[in-house]
Amino acid sequence: DAKTTQPNSMESNEEEPVHLPCNHSTISGTDYIHWYRQLPSQGPEYVIHGLTSNVNNRMASLAIAEDRKSSTLILHRATLRDAAVYYCILRNAGNMLTFGGGTRLMVKP
Amino acid sequence: DADVTQTPRNRITKTGKRIMLECSQTKGHDRMYWYRQDPGLGLRLIYYSFDVKDINKGEISDGYSVSRQAQAKFSLSLESAIPNQTALYFCATSDSDRDDRSMEPQHFGDGTRLSIL
Repeated sequence: DAKTTQPNSMESNEEEPVHLPCNHSTISGTDYIHWYRQLPSQGPEYVIHGLTSNVNNRMASLAIAEDRKSSTLILHRATLRDAAVYYCILRNAGNMLTFGGGTRLMVKP
Repeated sequence: DADVTQTPRNRITKTGKRIMLECSQTKGHDRMYWYRQDPGLGLRLIYYSFDVKDINKGEISDGYSVSRQAQAKFSLSLESAIPNQTALYFCATSDSDRDDRSMEPQHFGDGTRLSIL
């Protein structure tokens, strides 16, 4: 399975944008890039996913490099509630989610 | 009410006991999953089911069994619990992927914290 590499942790200030990077240099042409996050004491929560084009939804934006070997999850304005572990996951049709260690995002007031 | 409900939320038991963790969903999804999470690590897939008559082993199925009693219910059993099965257990559901592009997201419960002494 293609793997992803994320920083272990990142810090952000409240109300500032956050860019969470993910490297996936061995991504295949049919792998989708998924992001989930896990708030403290909760199960993971779907954030966004994409294949080639940048994607936006009410939670975040996903910027995908042209060669698809990296992507960035963008939180436009971090709030304290966004403090969580963010997982970048590659998924192919019919395959399961494989969670790595993720990035722990800390948001400072 | 939660869409994916796990019971119990916490359980402490002894080595050798049989344990059942239950998961029910009101989302009407065909697919259900059981994951395990150890401290500081990501989730690992134990078993999954794509419909009532379908059961599949995941990455770490040894020592576990499952039962899909109905579309809405998926139980995980530890026949003879051992201390290294102490972990946080999550159930998840998803709709079926309509095609290669739909990639339906998974919806998770809040977990069961299981401690085996």
